[in-house]
Amino acid sequence: EPEVTQTPSHQVTQMGQEVILRCVPISNHLYFYWYRQILGQKVEFLVSFYNNEISEKSEIFDDQFSVERPDGSNFTLKIRSTKLEDSAMYFCASSERASVSIYFGEGSWLTVV
Amino acid sequence: LAKTTQPISMDSYEGQEVNITCSHNNIATNDYITWYQQFPSQGPRFIIQGYKTKVTNEVASLFIPADRKSSTLSLPRVSLSDTAVYYCLVGDYYSGNTPLVFGKGTRLSVIA
Repeated sequence: EPEVTQTPSHQVTQMGQEVILRCVPISNHLYFYWYRQILGQKVEFLVSFYNNEISEKSEIFDDQFSVERPDGSNFTLKIRSTKLEDSAMYFCASSERASVSIYFGEGSWLTVV
Repeated sequence: LAKTTQPISMDSYEGQEVNITCSHNNIATNDYITWYQQFPSQGPRFIIQGYKTKVTNEVASLFIPADRKSSTLSLPRVSLSDTAVYYCLVGDYYSGNTPLVFGKGTRLSVIA
């Protein structure tokens, strides 16, 4: 079964540092997403991306965050200046159609110290 | 987005059928009902989606009454590996303008 792959699986970074989380969505999918889950809390929507632009974003996705599809396969989430409260599991996801049968990756666990 | 309400947790013995009910009283005409499963430290996994009546796949069945104000996810003969959090989501997903919004879900614990 095709899958969404994410790297790194775990990253520890110092507060104020920039972090880039990488994702390879499923190859024929057109819609891409980032979600995050703080330990013990619910899965939160960050942003959706289609046709090389952001289609929806939540209030969490402020100016500190950006997304990019630098080539035909990768989809990245950048956090410019990390804060302690950015510590969470970040999930990349993709789908053929908008918000239908979304496939999630295994996640990137970010720890900000 | 239609608000959903589901039990916080449920326990079941192995081999039993488990039914998790979700209430969505203000579901809109174009809304679909989708269920996801999440194991610890993993991303949510799509289980099933439906609009009305009954949908069945190799993993589960989804029962939706005529008024669509609730839905029931049915897991036949659960095993220990079905221990997970199950999320009910409701939204007009096919329009392309509704991101999936997860609630707290139902934590199912399967006991041997």
